[in-house]
Amino acid sequence: KNEVEQSPQNLTAQEGEFITINCSYSVGISALHWLQQHPGGGIVSLFMLSSGKKKHGRLIATINIQEKHSSLHITASHPRDSAVYICAAYTGANSKLTFGKGITLSVRP
Amino acid sequence: AAGVIQSPRHLIKEKRETATLKCYPIPRHDTVYWYQQGPGQDPQFLISFYEKMQSDKGSIPDRFSAQQFSDYHSELNMSSLELGDSALYFCASSLGVGSHNSPLHFGNGTRLTVT
Repeated sequence: KNEVEQSPQNLTAQEGEFITINCSYSVGISALHWLQQHPGGGIVSLFMLSSGKKKHGRLIATINIQEKHSSLHITASHPRDSAVYICAAYTGANSKLTFGKGITLSVRP
Repeated sequence: AAGVIQSPRHLIKEKRETATLKCYPIPRHDTVYWYQQGPGQDPQFLISFYEKMQSDKGSIPDRFSAQQFSDYHSELNMSSLELGDSALYFCASSLGVGSHNSPLHFGNGTRLTVT
């Protein structure tokens, strides 16, 4: 069982919809990244958060350390949001970065 | 702002050949991490360096070696390439080792194809 779990594996939405992507983890963490990877592309860190909530443009990330759960919300989704969204958590004494398997999001026009 | 630079972006090699991938961290970052991401897979940690010394080791094959140079750039050397080595190799840099207070910045990766 992965220490960092994401579901579902694939998600399809219509342009303009509000989208929520979830991440849960089974170990203690100190912080968590939300990453975006476009097909064939590199990885971009959207947020790093250790508590509460962060907002950047149409993206909002929240984390609940006690419940071991984080969410990434996309408001007014757009086809250019189509990408793989990965959560990666800093786990362990050395703050090793453990990746979830990612969720493939497709936003249809 | 300067980001993490990786070269080359794409590389095609034949089985049993060697390859060298380069990673230039963000200026003043002293820690570099290497990851391997196979097709449809989540990234796997290979190795990391802090201040030119290996700081952590993951699932890096013995055929691979890496080092960090005095200017903090890092090179991943891969020998006796196998078809299964085809993957996206990306590096990340940070200030300080394993620091959740200093987030990782990721490069765009080198896509290696072994034929």
